[in-house]
Amino acid sequence: KAGVTQTPRYLIKTRGQQVTLSCSPISGHRSVSWYQQTPGQGLQFLFEYFSETQRNKGNFPGRFSGRQFSNSRSEMNVSTLELGDSALYLCASSLDFRNSYNEQFFGPGTRLTVL
Amino acid sequence: TQLLEQSPQFLSIQEGENLTVYCNSSSVFSSLQWYRQEPGEGPVLLVTVVTGGEVKKLKRLTFQFGDARKDSSLHITAAQPGDTGLYLCAGETTDSWGKLQFGAGTQVVVTP
Repeated sequence: KAGVTQTPRYLIKTRGQQVTLSCSPISGHRSVSWYQQTPGQGLQFLFEYFSETQRNKGNFPGRFSGRQFSNSRSEMNVSTLELGDSALYLCASSLDFRNSYNEQFFGPGTRLTVL
Repeated sequence: TQLLEQSPQFLSIQEGENLTVYCNSSSVFSSLQWYRQEPGEGPVLLVTVVTGGEVKKLKRLTFQFGDARKDSSLHITAAQPGDTGLYLCAGETTDSWGKLQFGAGTQVVVTP
């Protein structure tokens, strides 16, 4: 079974621009979560989608948004980029946690650098 | 403030030595996972523990979940250079379903 894939793997943007990151979950997984990982803050939860609906949200500003498509693929968008948005963005998929433990399987991440 | 506190932050040992990483919280977790992450890659799930007092073994790795489901430990026996990585514990509480909370991680370096 193919793992979680994320595209692109690396991205360089400048302040003020916007960016869209893509995630394809493991086949059969309907829940997709996004995380931001930085050396200072560690792994921080952004949001979680299930059946095209955002079910959970972390404490990030509205510049961070996401969506999920009917095939469970997900995208996240960051508008008006700031230097502090430079991070590794990780996507994770899981079976619906209501029926199983919230075991999440991560993709390799997208390394975003904001200049 | 991290919901899950990991200690130590950094551990450097020689091949063949043993090590233990701790993950503590004042909150009760419905499940707790351990992950290992290598530089530039996503975390890889090692184990999930769900029952208080549970012990799980994965080759040379032993995972324990505290009786009160507030803490966990990871013990590696006879560490090898391939065990090098960032070890992360993560869990969700009963009042935060769907939000996996991560510890800050323990960087383990095993030198030959």
